[in-house]
Amino acid sequence: NAGVTQTPKFQVLKTGQSMTLQCAQDMNHEYMSWYRQDPGMGLRLIHYSVGAGITDQGEVPNGYNVSRSTTEDFPLRLLSAAPSQTSVYFCASSYEVGPNDEQYFGPGTRLTVT
Amino acid sequence: GENVEQHPSTLSVQEGDSAVIKCTYSDSASNYFPWYKQELGKGPQLIIDIRSNVGEKKDQRIAVTLNKTAKHFSLHITETQPEDSAVYFCAATLSGSARQLTFGSGTQLTVLP
Repeated sequence: NAGVTQTPKFQVLKTGQSMTLQCAQDMNHEYMSWYRQDPGMGLRLIHYSVGAGITDQGEVPNGYNVSRSTTEDFPLRLLSAAPSQTSVYFCASSYEVGPNDEQYFGPGTRLTVT
Repeated sequence: GENVEQHPSTLSVQEGDSAVIKCTYSDSASNYFPWYKQELGKGPQLIIDIRSNVGEKKDQRIAVTLNKTAKHFSLHITETQPEDSAVYFCAATLSGSARQLTFGSGTQLTVLP
């Protein structure tokens, strides 16, 4: 299993540009989520999904859109990038039901908005 | 919502010594408390977790303690080694529902050889 994969690893955008951060998992996990990591602030939840066709907002959803058309994929869209969105983005997945609550994180995407 | 505070933000120890990282949480309903280790350039990885019906859990050199009354939990690493150097995050949530992990701000642990 590849686990959780994210592309790209690095990205530089200009203010106002749009892009999609890709996330995929091959573990048949129902639950997927996006976090952003900023210095001194830990990881903050942006959006999450409990299954295909179902998404919901986390702590910091503004400026981001998500969709979940398949169990495997959970892309994060920035419609109009702003410098405040400069961050490292992590995708994570886990089993939604059952005793195993471990979240598996991808390697991250480092985004710079100039 | 849940709020998690983590201390210290940086911690340096000599190889072989013990390290302790502490977290407090605000929502008394939280019942799942994982700890994640993040090595440079990588995503966080679960190293140990504890549920609210347990006061302590050990896994080799790593242990976690939970005090529900005081709403705090701690990570203990004994016999530290250079490979333990990393950023450690605590988190809290209600498990079994649409989970929203709330993370602490992280602790940079440096083990000096």
